[in-house]
Amino acid sequence: QVQLQESGPGLVKPSQTLSLTCTVSGGSISSGSYYWSWIRQPAGKGLEWIGRIYTSGSTNYNPSLKSRVTISVDTSKNQFSLKLSSVTAADTAVYYCARSPGRGYSGYDYWGQGTLVTVSS
Amino acid sequence: QSALTQPPSASGSPGQSVTISCTGTSSDVGGYNYVSWYQQHPGKAPKLMIYEVSKRPSGVPDRFSGSKSGNTASLTVSGLQAEDEADYYCSSYAGSNNFEVFGTGTKVTVL
Repeated sequence: QVQLQESGPGLVKPSQTLSLTCTVSGGSISSGSYYWSWIRQPAGKGLEWIGRIYTSGSTNYNPSLKSRVTISVDTSKNQFSLKLSSVTAADTAVYYCARSPGRGYSGYDYWGQGTLVTVSS
Repeated sequence: QSALTQPPSASGSPGQSVTISCTGTSSDVGGYNYVSWYQQHPGKAPKLMIYEVSKRPSGVPDRFSGSKSGNTASLTVSGLQAEDEADYYCSSYAGSNNFEVFGTGTKVTVL
């Protein structure tokens, strides 16, 4: 059974860089055809897609966040990571990592439990 | 890219059916058969209920069904049960520039 687990600081200062890691267990991140994504949800609000990385390392980002987002993969650790620069209070949210099979358009079948990141001084 | 439009709330009595709409444009919902639906209970991660408009992942009850007409997708929950009370979100592929857009979310209440 595949499991995803987010980790990283729960508090980030404004203008700094938010860094999160998603550790995948129960299967190799580099086997099969999967996209690995980051999605966030501000408290009481809806979901927002941040971006994704394929097992080959190719990435796609939400155009509204593209200038500040970097997603990378470390196959040796079975992890993928998110970096979001120049954060503001508007970036406060629960951040989820998730997996999408195939071409990446067919939904997210596995999700992490989510991690709350608060941007505050 | 704007969020897909969903009604804020929907409700039904146990055993009844409820249908949630998800309205987009020809650049997302109407342009591709890649609409997904998620169920989210408070404090939990979303759960995939429908993908590619009408397909159900293994383990999802057949009480959940999806469809699409033009720029609007729909999720129907038949035979409502207490555990169906949750927030529901749609999402759609939105082309090679925008990739994915989520809906605004609908809170389903079982009366």
